[in-house]
Amino acid sequence: DVKVTQSSRYLVKRTGEKVFLECVQDMDHENMFWYRQDPGLGLRLIYFSYDVKMKEKGDIPEGYSVSREKKERFSLILESASTNQTSMYLCASSFGLLYEQYFGPGTRLTVT
Amino acid sequence: ELKVEQNPLFLSMQEGKNYTIYCNYSTTSDRLYWYRQDPGKSLESLFVLLSNGAVKQEGRLMASLDTKARLSTLHITAAVHDLSATYFCAGIYTGANSKLTFGKGITLSVRP
Repeated sequence: DVKVTQSSRYLVKRTGEKVFLECVQDMDHENMFWYRQDPGLGLRLIYFSYDVKMKEKGDIPEGYSVSREKKERFSLILESASTNQTSMYLCASSFGLLYEQYFGPGTRLTVT
Repeated sequence: ELKVEQNPLFLSMQEGKNYTIYCNYSTTSDRLYWYRQDPGKSLESLFVLLSNGAVKQEGRLMASLDTKARLSTLHITAAVHDLSATYFCAGIYTGANSKLTFGKGITLSVRP
C-alpha cells in the first residue's frame, strides 16, 4: 500500500512566522503535490514537483514555496504566515501525472 | 482550461434507495477520477476511468464515463449509511502544465 505521511495533523502558528509542512511518500513516486482545501472552494493546487529539485507552480502559489531535495520528501514553506493561509493542507503523490494521486492525512493549519 | 462541475453540492439520500450523481467537465479530459473524503479525513481514490464507455464498479458504487457528453456518473445502489461522505471527481488534460482539476465535491448524507 502506498503511504503518504505528513509531519503534523494540527498546527497553530502566529502571523509572520515561518512554517514548514513536510510530506513523505514511500512508493518511489515521481510526482508530489501540495493542495489546500477550503470550504466552498474545493481543492486548489499550490505547487507540484515531477522530480527531485524540480517544481511547478499550481493555481495559487503566492505566499508559498516548496523544496524537494529527496525523491520521497516534499516540503511546503510559508515564508511569513498570514491569517488567510489558515486551511487544510493536503499532500499527494503519484507514479505519473496521469496516474491516480494518493493523499496524505492532511495538516490543519491555523494562523492567529 | 479544464473546468469540472459537480451538482448538487449536497444530497440527502434514503437508505436502500438508488441514486446517481453527476460530474461534468468543460474540455477534453484524458482521464476521469473519483475520490471519496470522510469528514475530517483525507481523500481516498475510488475509480480511474480511462476512456469513453469505461465502467468500474466497487461494492454499491459504479462509475461510468461518456467523453462525448463530457460527463461521468457515479451510481449508488441501495444506499447505506457507510456511504455518507463527500465525493470528488477530477479531470486532467495532458497539455502544457497539465494538472488534476477537481470539482467542488458532492456531500452525500444517507438517512435511515
